[in-house]
Amino acid sequence: NAGVTQTPKFRVLKTGQSMTLLCAQDMNHEYMYWYRQDPGMGLRLIHYSVGEGTTAKGEVPDGYNVSRLKKQNFLLGLESAAPSQTSVYFCASRSPTRGANYGYTFGSGTRLTVV
Amino acid sequence: KQEVTQIPAALSVPEGENLVLNCSFTDSAIYNLQWFRQDPGKGLTSLLLIQSSQREQTSGRLNASLDKSSGRSTLYIAASQPGDSATYLCAVTNYGGATNKLIFGTGTLLAVQP
Repeated sequence: NAGVTQTPKFRVLKTGQSMTLLCAQDMNHEYMYWYRQDPGMGLRLIHYSVGEGTTAKGEVPDGYNVSRLKKQNFLLGLESAAPSQTSVYFCASRSPTRGANYGYTFGSGTRLTVV
Repeated sequence: KQEVTQIPAALSVPEGENLVLNCSFTDSAIYNLQWFRQDPGKGLTSLLLIQSSQREQTSGRLNASLDKSSGRSTLYIAASQPGDSATYLCAVTNYGGATNKLIFGTGTLLAVQP
């Protein structure tokens, strides 16, 4: 099925460890986004990309890095995990042009716990 | 700065009841508005998208309306079912050139009692 796939679905890290979250989409969307969701704070944008090889900071970028080496993949990296990064992370993609599938498509999320 | 508010934060209704969820936004210059559903521990499922030039969209028992001038949208659910129980999120995108980022409300938690 077409859509956005996130791996892994769950992860527990120790403080200071690093990891990479992978997002893959097969809809040929130009734009991709990483959000985090925390209780009482809704979804907040971490980083986004408007095309292969481009990235930009969102609302809460500190402590994260991203890369978009291929159009279909958007990677989110945590170089030195902190307990404040315990959250549910969502990847999303969309087409830049108005059309039937103009809206955002979200992945199923990665639940990350940093202890 | 665009802010999105959803009222009520939680709602419990008996099965079969029609209900309305509300979403308001502070900047009326939006590009589009999208309603999502999120089940516990799951991702977001897009329900309806209303582009800035539209007034409403319908899908099955769901109807979403948009009034840009007043900064409001409503999601109407007809003949509610226990399977409709979930958190409903409203999100808008502002005109921002190529980036048009989604700005979310904090959601309405709906419980439909059998």
